[in-house]
Amino acid sequence: EPEVTQTPSHQVTQMGQEVILRCVPISNHLYFYWYRQILGQKVEFLVSFYNNEISEKSEIFDDQFSVERPDGSNFTLKIRSTKLEDSAMYFCASRDSGGTGELFFGEGSRLTVL
Amino acid sequence: AQSVTQLGSHVSVSEGALVLLRCNYSSSVPPYLFWYVQYPNQGLQLLLKYTSAATLVKGINGFEAEFKKSETSFHLTKPSAHMSDAAEYFCAVSDYTGGFKTIFGAGTRLFVKA
Repeated sequence: EPEVTQTPSHQVTQMGQEVILRCVPISNHLYFYWYRQILGQKVEFLVSFYNNEISEKSEIFDDQFSVERPDGSNFTLKIRSTKLEDSAMYFCASRDSGGTGELFFGEGSRLTVL
Repeated sequence: AQSVTQLGSHVSVSEGALVLLRCNYSSSVPPYLFWYVQYPNQGLQLLLKYTSAATLVKGINGFEAEFKKSETSFHLTKPSAHMSDAAEYFCAVSDYTGGFKTIFGAGTRLFVKA
């Protein structure tokens, strides 16, 4: 069964460092999303991406964040200068162009900022 | 804008008892509704979804949910709890006005007592 894959599963970084989280969405999907879940809290929308541009972003997604689809398969989330509060699980999701709206989620990348 | 309210951040039931997790939504147009389960340190697994077909939706692991438009509710039930059902459960909503961006509730942690 097709699935969304994310790498790395866990990354530890120092405050102020740049981090890139990678996602490979399901191959025929056209819409891509990043979500964040701080430990013990709700899953929060960060950004949606379609046709090589951001469709929508939340207030969390400030200038420190960026997304890119560098080739036909990867979808990346970059955090330019990490802060302690960026420590969280980051989930990538994708969906097709059908009408059910169901998002398919990856297993997540846990980011720990020290 | 869509929103989801989950009543009760923690629910505790005995093994074999009925599980009822409450979810109310807000959406200006017909919504798509989802329940996800998250086990400790794992990703989000789709339990079931409502996409405007039958109002009573059956999912995996014996769970089901009923869409009630008049009550704007989508409560999750399971007739008989099993120890393996202990997890965090998230209700979520999306609709076409939000580009099918999925908005999650705060989550309900289910405890199952032996």
